[in-house]
Amino acid sequence: ETGVTQSPTHLIKTRGQQVTLRCSSQSGHNTVSWYQQALGQGPQFIFQYYREEENGRGNFPPRFSGLQFPNYSSELNVNALELDDSALYLCASSFPLGEHNEQFFGPGTRLTVL
Amino acid sequence: SQQGEEDPQALSIQEGENATMNCSYKTSINNLQWYRQNSGRGLVHLILIRSNEREKHSGRLRVTLDTSKKSSSLLITASRAADTASYFCATNAGNMLTFGGGTRLMVKP
Repeated sequence: ETGVTQSPTHLIKTRGQQVTLRCSSQSGHNTVSWYQQALGQGPQFIFQYYREEENGRGNFPPRFSGLQFPNYSSELNVNALELDDSALYLCASSFPLGEHNEQFFGPGTRLTVL
Repeated sequence: SQQGEEDPQALSIQEGENATMNCSYKTSINNLQWYRQNSGRGLVHLILIRSNEREKHSGRLRVTLDTSKKSSSLLITASRAADTASYFCATNAGNMLTFGGGTRLMVKP
């Protein structure tokens, strides 16, 4: 167990709806990163939050947005859901990534868009 | 886009045999990390090797890094059925990790 928790575990939505996924980081970590993992592929970086500010973003459209709270927990919001948004969404907490730091991943939220 | 590419994509071996997975990447890195994932669940960190290191060991795991060839390998010795999982390499070149597509390892009892 990494100490990183995510909710919900599974979620089913329909196209066009909005979804909010939640992540609680490991105690002491101030950085949260979100990844999208499509079936059979490696995780793709969505964005990272450090001390409540976005600190890097991958190649995802603006309808993917996030928040980080003062306790360093985080939310991922996706608007106008599309079928291709169906994936496992992973959050990872860490200290700011540098030469030595690893990321600790939560169990993920599996999102199905119908 | 994915920077790392794992080879092979799938590997099936018998218990007790060694498993070798390779990873290639494209840009300069701070470090390279290997992760394990069971059945679409969360990723488990296995080992981190810094760009100035060439080899690292952890239990039955041995990782090598060749920055001149932009490649890394993960060796699992004396494999067990419980090692069955997907293995991913991830490069850290800044404030994010870039993952490869993974190697799906099956260890038959």
